[in-house]
Amino acid sequence: GEDVEQSLFLSVREGDSSVINCTYTDSSSTYLYWYKQEPGAGLQLLTYIFSNMDMKQDQRLTVLLNKKDKHLSLRIADTQTGDSAIYFCAEDGYNDMRFGAGTRLTVKP
Amino acid sequence: KAGVTQTPRYLIKTRGQQVTLSCSPISGHRSVSWYQQTPGQGLQFLFEYFSETQRNKGNFPGRFSGRQFSNSRSEMNVSTLELGDSALYLCASSLASRTGGRFNEQFFGPGTRLTVL
Repeated sequence: GEDVEQSLFLSVREGDSSVINCTYTDSSSTYLYWYKQEPGAGLQLLTYIFSNMDMKQDQRLTVLLNKKDKHLSLRIADTQTGDSAIYFCAEDGYNDMRFGAGTRLTVKP
Repeated sequence: KAGVTQTPRYLIKTRGQQVTLSCSPISGHRSVSWYQQTPGQGLQFLFEYFSETQRNKGNFPGRFSGRQFSNSRSEMNVSTLELGDSALYLCASSLASRTGGRFNEQFFGPGTRLTVL
């Protein structure tokens, strides 16, 4: 079947903005999520967006949702070295959560 | 409040053996979901338990099974291990069952890293 797709790697300089993109599969997904995974740890929910919204801002994080194209993005403003991690988008289908493969964000000083 | 705990954190087994992994959810959480994370396949949903009942199951063979106890702790069992079962197994707990598209934040444990030789 279709997969939730993300680019695998992103490298930015400290202080720049990071944009991580995701294409999801199920247009009926009610919620879409962004999770962060640091080395040796489980996933931590960063933010989420309800499917009837186009945008959600939460401090340095901005989520944009384009339902027509099934495209989700996460923008991190003023990226810091502590933001280096793997970021997963996920869609909440009726029976299961489907995750992308994760984008490894590297922040260079 | 203590987070989700998983034991053991690391495990090495050989092909053909079986393994049992344990997950203790956050106090008060009744739903436990299990995921398999591999470099090639990413995160894949295994199953969800709520109030000792399996609510949903992902597309995994019958060698993968689980159960949940009355205190909401959950165990996952894999029988007849194969090399491809090597993965990080994550469990996540939430207050309610995530079925039905309602927002329900999941809290993840650190995972059990299983290596099959």
